[in-house]
Amino acid sequence: DAGVTQSPTHLIKTRGQQVTLRCSPKSGHDTVSWYQQALGQGPQFIFQYYEEEERQRGNFPDRFSGHQFPNYSSELNVNALLLGDSALYLCASSLAGTGAPYTEAFFGQGTRLTVV
Amino acid sequence: SQQGEEDPQALSIQEGENATMNCSYKTSINNLQWYRQNSGRGLVHLILIRSNEREKHSGRLRVTLDTSKKSSSLLITASRAADTASYFCATDESEKLVFGKGMKLTVNP
Repeated sequence: DAGVTQSPTHLIKTRGQQVTLRCSPKSGHDTVSWYQQALGQGPQFIFQYYEEEERQRGNFPDRFSGHQFPNYSSELNVNALLLGDSALYLCASSLAGTGAPYTEAFFGQGTRLTVV
Repeated sequence: SQQGEEDPQALSIQEGENATMNCSYKTSINNLQWYRQNSGRGLVHLILIRSNEREKHSGRLRVTLDTSKKSSSLLITASRAADTASYFCATDESEKLVFGKGMKLTVNP
């Protein structure tokens, strides 16, 4: 089992550009969540995808958008990059819809985005 | 917004000593989870404790939960240099995780 995989691992972009980050969930998981972690801070929830729909969203502007594919993999897109978007972007997968309290999420190694 | 707040924010101990980290949160929860992060990379899930549980063990880890005080603690016994990392508590809000700012643990050989 490969676990959660993210690509690329590092990325440098120029202010104003657009970026796409990718995530493949752990085998058997159907839900993907994205988090942004600034240096020295805890991860902040961006949004969550389930059944190819955005199920909930954190306090992030519309420049942040996403997609989930039929194979449960997901993309995070950020338009009009700002210097403040520089962060570690983490993808987490889980299994939803069990009716039980939220079970553990498995995280990928993250994508380090630097905006210059 | 960040719900959980870890305390202390940094801790330095010698190998073999125990390390205790505390987490306080604000709202009612279904469960609380602890994660470890090495060198700013991915988060590793350590343990989940449900709101109706008071204590849970996993190897050298012991987690307690006091819902009346809205607090949790993580105890790492017989620490090793490999335990050097940042530790985060996270509470669930409608199946999304809300993290604290984290606590940096340094275990000196």
